[in-house]
Amino acid sequence: QKEVEQNSGPLSVPEGAIASLNCTYSDRGSQSFFWYRQYSGKSPELIMFIYSNGDKEDGRFTAQLNKASQYVSLLIRDSQPSDSATYLCAAGRRGSTLGRLYFGRGTQLTVWP
Amino acid sequence: DTGVSQDPRHKITKRGQNVTFRCDPISEHNRLYWYRQTLGQGPEFLTYFQNEAQLEKSRLLSDRFSAERPKGSFSTLEIQRTEQGDSAMYLCASSSSNFRGLTVAQYFGPGTRLTVL
Repeated sequence: QKEVEQNSGPLSVPEGAIASLNCTYSDRGSQSFFWYRQYSGKSPELIMFIYSNGDKEDGRFTAQLNKASQYVSLLIRDSQPSDSATYLCAAGRRGSTLGRLYFGRGTQLTVWP
Repeated sequence: DTGVSQDPRHKITKRGQNVTFRCDPISEHNRLYWYRQTLGQGPEFLTYFQNEAQLEKSRLLSDRFSAERPKGSFSTLEIQRTEQGDSAMYLCASSSSNFRGLTVAQYFGPGTRLTVL
């Protein structure tokens, strides 16, 4: 079982709709969670991070964390064609010297006009 | 604010040759990470440094791979005797130290795409 699991998609939504991306993690020691956006042929770009249970909003993006269910999600409101990309979920464990992030395979999102 | 830079951006080499990649982190970051990404997969951790010290290495980092960060600034990743399976995007990221034990956000460079013929 991989540390972080994502549905690979593809997920297709019309422009203006809400896109919902989901991620589960297996290690209860995971404490930090990140969403990255990756355009084809480019490197990952940080969108949001979340440490605490509940919702965290930043513009059109909302990250949700439920540690009891080991579940992280990203909502994109008013989706735009420019949001079409692969979205990577990543988790980090707690510990001052621990550094690695565990990534899922990513969910490919297409927003059509 | 200068982001993470990597050089070269692309490298084509023949099997058996050695290659070296360079990464310059964001200047105020003391942590530097190397990941490898193949098509359709998320980045896989290779190793990371805090200042000059290499604190963690993945079992993916075979004896043919070596990484250095001699002065706590830029880092190099060398692959000796390259194999076709080494073809991938090699990503460098940097961050500040963990905050209250929580892993903080890592910021990626543009990557070096390696093709081994």
